Amino acid sequence: GAVVSQHPSRVICKSGTSVKIECRSLDFQATTMFWYRQFPKQSLMLMATSNEGSKATYEQGVEKDKFLINHASLTLSTLTVTSAHPEDSSFYICSAPRTGESNEQFFGPGTRLTVL
Amino acid sequence: GENVEQHPSTLSVQEGDSAVIKCTYSDSASNYFPWYKQELGKGPQLIIDIRSNVGEKKDQRIAVTLNKTAKHFSLHITETQPEDSAVYFCAATPLGNSGYALNFGKGTSLLVTP
Repeated sequence: GAVVSQHPSRVICKSGTSVKIECRSLDFQATTMFWYRQFPKQSLMLMATSNEGSKATYEQGVEKDKFLINHASLTLSTLTVTSAHPEDSSFYICSAPRTGESNEQFFGPGTRLTVL
Repeated sequence: GENVEQHPSTLSVQEGDSAVIKCTYSDSASNYFPWYKQELGKGPQLIIDIRSNVGEKKDQRIAVTLNKTAKHFSLHITETQPEDSAVYFCAATPLGNSGYALNFGKGTSLLVTP
């Protein structure tokens, strides 16, 4: 099956700093990628849709200036958490649908962010 | 928007027994219903999916049924094994060519005891 990778898998940072998370589709091109956030023992909540070559679309309640998304190529989307605070600590997961075939959505392994 | 309800939130079965997880959805436009298994600290893995033109799909010990009229779908795991222990999420979405976001249920924590 298709593979989606994320980097880093785990990051610890100080409050006020920015953290960048990368999401790559390794063996297929993805014009669209999705960013989800998952708090402990909760479901995945969609944060934003990343579109290659255009601006991301954000879900209601998600601050676009705080969670910067850049879809620079057909295989890479980045999420930057700016001025991170402890409440931003969460599990961030990206996904990419492989269009044209089954449209199955492939998830990355996730990034555990801890803000001290 | 779509609202997906999932039950039960926790499920404990003995090894070898069957496990059933049920989901309902609200948006009649939804036509793709995947099930994901998530182990601790990992991303979700697709285990089976079903589209609205099919009522049932089976893959070895795993099966999914869909009732579009009632807007509910279920995951059935037979002959459960301890390695089936994980959190399972159902999802629903309209299937489009340009990609789609999944609307997830709240998850079911399945524990299979030896």
